[in-house]
Amino acid sequence: GIQVEQSPPDLILQEGANSTLRCNFSDSVNNLQWFHQNPWGQLINLFYIPSGTKQNGRLSATTVATERYSLLYISSSQTTDSGVYFCAVARIKAAGNKLTFGGGTRVLVKP
Amino acid sequence: DTEVTQTPKHLVMGMTNKKSLKCEQHMGHRAMYWYKQKAKKPPELMFVYSYEKLSINESVPSRFSPECPNSSLLNLHLHALQPEDSALYLCASSQVVSRGYTFGSGTRLTVV
Repeated sequence: GIQVEQSPPDLILQEGANSTLRCNFSDSVNNLQWFHQNPWGQLINLFYIPSGTKQNGRLSATTVATERYSLLYISSSQTTDSGVYFCAVARIKAAGNKLTFGGGTRVLVKP
Repeated sequence: DTEVTQTPKHLVMGMTNKKSLKCEQHMGHRAMYWYKQKAKKPPELMFVYSYEKLSINESVPSRFSPECPNSSLLNLHLHALQPEDSALYLCASSQVVSRGYTFGSGTRLTVV
């Protein structure tokens, strides 16, 4: 199966700082998503980004599919950005997608 | 409606109990999924349903029994679970040729 590696595993930020999270994957994919999991367990979809660049407020993401990596940028971090960020990938098949998650980056933003 | 709704949010059950987890979506998605997440680990796929038919079973023990009664509902029937089955159980849905998953808020299960 596809291997997904995220770095760094842990990140401590001062409020207002910027950061970059990385996701490397081992094979070609046609589905890549970034999720934020809050302390209550809810997985919130941040981006569907199998290729290209997207921005949503203080967050942006870039996927370079040919080089098998994706980056998530957090700018002007806030305490509410704390939680675990997951990258997940899949190869689309007719029988439904098998979305495989990376190990996550645990982010703590301090006030 | 852009949500996946899971009930109950919390469940405590004994090892001899039978219980069910429920998942519902009204986005017209024809693929639905069960994931299991242990503490400090990523979610792991258990089952995939496509057009109400089981298409992927990730070698899950038979004490977990999925059911998809219609295109909007997904159940997970639980019987004779072990304490190590305690986890967060997440339901998700997507278009079959996906443009992204939507996850529910999960059921936090404790087996005593």
